Amino acid sequence: EPEVTQTPSHQVTQMGQEVILRCVPISNHLYFYWYRQILGQKVEFLVSFYNNEISEKSEIFDDQFSVERPDGSNFTLKIRSTKLEDSAMYFCASSKPRGAFYMETQYFGPGTRLLVL
Amino acid sequence: QQQVKQSPQSLIVQKGGIPIINCAYENTAFDYFPWYQQFPGKGPALLIAIRPDVSEKKEGRFTISFNKSAKQFSLHIMDSQPGDSATYFCAASKRQETSGSRLTFGEGTQLTVNP
Repeated sequence: EPEVTQTPSHQVTQMGQEVILRCVPISNHLYFYWYRQILGQKVEFLVSFYNNEISEKSEIFDDQFSVERPDGSNFTLKIRSTKLEDSAMYFCASSKPRGAFYMETQYFGPGTRLLVL
Repeated sequence: QQQVKQSPQSLIVQKGGIPIINCAYENTAFDYFPWYQQFPGKGPALLIAIRPDVSEKKEGRFTISFNKSAKQFSLHIMDSQPGDSATYFCAASKRQETSGSRLTFGEGTQLTVNP
């Protein structure tokens, strides 16, 4: 069964450093997402991406964040200058377009645990 | 308006019991209500989902009950098993014509099913 993959599984970085989190969505999906989950809290939407541009972003997704689909398979989240509060699990998700009667299913990857020291 | 409220925060049942997890939403534009199951260290996985034009959906041991007028929906797990012990999240989204649909998640319920 196709699945979303993410690398690395864990990332430790120093405050102020740049990190890039990588995702390979399911191959025939067209919508891509990043969510984050601070330890013990709910999953929060960061950004959605379609047709090589951002569709929607949350208030969390400020100028320190950027997303890119550099080729036909990868989808990346970059945090330019990490802060302590960026420590969280970051999930990538992907989905097919939702038709009139089709319920969109977002498939989540296993996540990257980011720790900012 | 965008929030989804979930309760209880944690739930402990005996094997065979029927845990019930409840969610409430405000935004009447939401038109898709999935439940996700998450095991420690893993990503959320879709369990079951419902559209607001039906009041109940059953898949195996999992049932969603949906009350559109009350803006509430709930997950029932029949004949619960220790392997069902996980965190359950309700979520909601509204269909976008030209983009993906952001999911708004509830706070999560940590379910423990004792043997």
